[in-house]
Amino acid sequence: DAGVTQSPTHLIKTRGQQVTLRCSPKSGHDTVSWYQQALGQGPQFIFQYYEEEERQRGNFPDRFSGHQFPNYSSELNVNALLLGDSALYLCASSPLERDRVETQYFGPGTRLLVL
Amino acid sequence: DQQVKQNSPSLSVQEGRISILNCDYTNSMFDYFLWYKKYPAEGPTFLISISSIKDKNEDGRFTVFLNKSAKHLSLHIVPSQPGDSAVYFCAASAYNTDKLIFGTGTRLQVFP
Repeated sequence: DAGVTQSPTHLIKTRGQQVTLRCSPKSGHDTVSWYQQALGQGPQFIFQYYEEEERQRGNFPDRFSGHQFPNYSSELNVNALLLGDSALYLCASSPLERDRVETQYFGPGTRLLVL
Repeated sequence: DQQVKQNSPSLSVQEGRISILNCDYTNSMFDYFLWYKKYPAEGPTFLISISSIKDKNEDGRFTVFLNKSAKHLSLHIVPSQPGDSAVYFCAASAYNTDKLIFGTGTRLQVFP
């Protein structure tokens, strides 16, 4: 059973460009959350998707948007990239029937470098 | 505003001894606390958690202690093993939300 997978593993973009990151949740999971982890920092919650709708959002600008597909996979889009968007982007999935947040499983992340 | 703080960026412990990692929080709405372990090139993996109605939770070599009045929690690893070398993140969540608030992490190195 594959866990959470993310693609690509690494990405280099230049300022002003747009980027799309992809996440496939663990089998049986229907909820996907995205986190940004800047160098030397802990992961910061961007948003969460459930039933193809954004359910919760952290303190991130509208340049950060997402989408969830009927198969529960998800995309994170970032427009007008800034140097400060350079970070590790983590996807976490969780099942519908969950007791608490520890049922979130994290993927290995996509490392984005903005030049 | 850093709601979850890990003030020690690194910790070095000899194999077999106890590792103690500390975490402080400021938001009184947090009711659930978790510890994650992260190896390079991998995502964080859940280690142990504690509800705010408890003051201790134990799982094998790992014990988490919660002091609500001090808004402080700690993770004890006994005995420490070289495979425990990783970055440890403290995280918190408020009731009925999956949003995790993470600390900045503590890099633990266990040497022989």
